[in-house]
Amino acid sequence: QQQVKQSPQSLIVQKGGISIINCAYENTAFDYFPWYQQFPGKGPALLIAIRPDVSEKKEGRFTISFNKSAKQFSLHIMDSQPGDSATYFCAASGGGGKLIFGQGTELSVKP
Amino acid sequence: GAGVSQSPSNKVTEKGKDVELRCDPISGHTALYWYRQSLGQGLEFLIYFQGNSAPDKSGLPSDRFSAERTGGSVSTLTIQRTQQEDSAVYLCASLKGRETYNEQFFGPGTRLTVL
Repeated sequence: QQQVKQSPQSLIVQKGGISIINCAYENTAFDYFPWYQQFPGKGPALLIAIRPDVSEKKEGRFTISFNKSAKQFSLHIMDSQPGDSATYFCAASGGGGKLIFGQGTELSVKP
Repeated sequence: GAGVSQSPSNKVTEKGKDVELRCDPISGHTALYWYRQSLGQGLEFLIYFQGNSAPDKSGLPSDRFSAERTGGSVSTLTIQRTQQEDSAVYLCASLKGRETYNEQFFGPGTRLTVL
């Protein structure tokens, strides 16, 4: 019940395209869903986050779509750029502070 | 301002040796977390400190792992009698306040290699 499942494991997108990463969770007590971006040799950094009281949150080219009934959420990166090439992690938290992370998606944006 | 710092950045040790990994959180952040990132895997929660409360140790994989936080600031993760499966990047994060929904700021990690 504590798992967060993320797909795909890797993704190749052309510059200007849309990158979509999906996550699914089981624990209905989760109430905070952040996405983290990690570049090689660096720690993860918060990209965008959503609470389950809304179905979508947009920040610039990054959008989280949230489907509470399906227990799924996804990250959409519009107009993907080579600088977006990184590993993306979804996560979930139900209080107590600890984040449960997905397995990560390695995104490569080709020029 | 300064972010979360971790030392050493790399540590190579022999199987059976003990290691200590250090985390300096952002000044004023009351919450501190340790995670482990194995090759090609997501981040695995290890332990969580919040102020003076008893730590949440529910993620520690065995009794060879322990952590302490002195003076509500610096934290040390200790792995005793290291095994090859302990090889991973150990990440520390800190958070301001008690609100789970605040951003966790991660350090660059310590890459541990057990030979």
